[in-house]
Amino acid sequence: GESVGLHLPTLSVQEGDNSIINCAYSNSASDYFIWYKQESGKGPQFIIDIRSNMDKRQGQRVTVLLNKTVKHLSLQIAATQPGDSAVYFCAELNNNDMRFGAGTRLTVKP
Amino acid sequence: NAGVTQTPKFRVLKTGQSMTLLCAQDMNHEYMYWYRQDPGMGLRLIHYSVGEGTTAKGEVPDGYNVSRLKKQNFLLGLESAAPSQTSVYFCASSYPEYTQYFGPGTRLTVL
Repeated sequence: GESVGLHLPTLSVQEGDNSIINCAYSNSASDYFIWYKQESGKGPQFIIDIRSNMDKRQGQRVTVLLNKTVKHLSLQIAATQPGDSAVYFCAELNNNDMRFGAGTRLTVKP
Repeated sequence: NAGVTQTPKFRVLKTGQSMTLLCAQDMNHEYMYWYRQDPGMGLRLIHYSVGEGTTAKGEVPDGYNVSRLKKQNFLLGLESAAPSQTSVYFCASSYPEYTQYFGPGTRLTVL
């Protein structure tokens, strides 16, 4: 989920398990959604995107689900690995206005 | 193909000093952006540009100025730095309506 402030939501999973990170977006007119991964000390890195005319999109080990009815976006990571440990941001785009969530910190336990 | 690069990586300023952050991209993207990221928070848009010679305000533009004299470069200026501008600054670029690609960030501390 999303939060504002100093404390990010956190998700801790065991290596090899599947991870699900959720995001509630704010603008029903947003037509493009992106998930980014940010490792410590680095810039955000694109993972996967989805347009509003779709409800599911799959990549390599990742799947994004979009539920426009409740303005909800999720990122599923299959067989989570230690290298997946990072902060994950969702972003929504409406015209040229992109807004980011505060992020969720994923920790993968070996 | 270096993608998006930022200069400098780190900087410490005293209150009232000025500085310019440089962003360069080699992907021929039309759009460029400057964001700031504060601890535990998402990215907030400062200014952006939809093409050479054009700039526009984002969510938190006060205290910053920008210029886009060349398509590949986007400069962020702080005329009189304040402690509230201590942050990590990210530049990004994109084609219109597509994914933004980010630089590695500049960590700025204002004392």
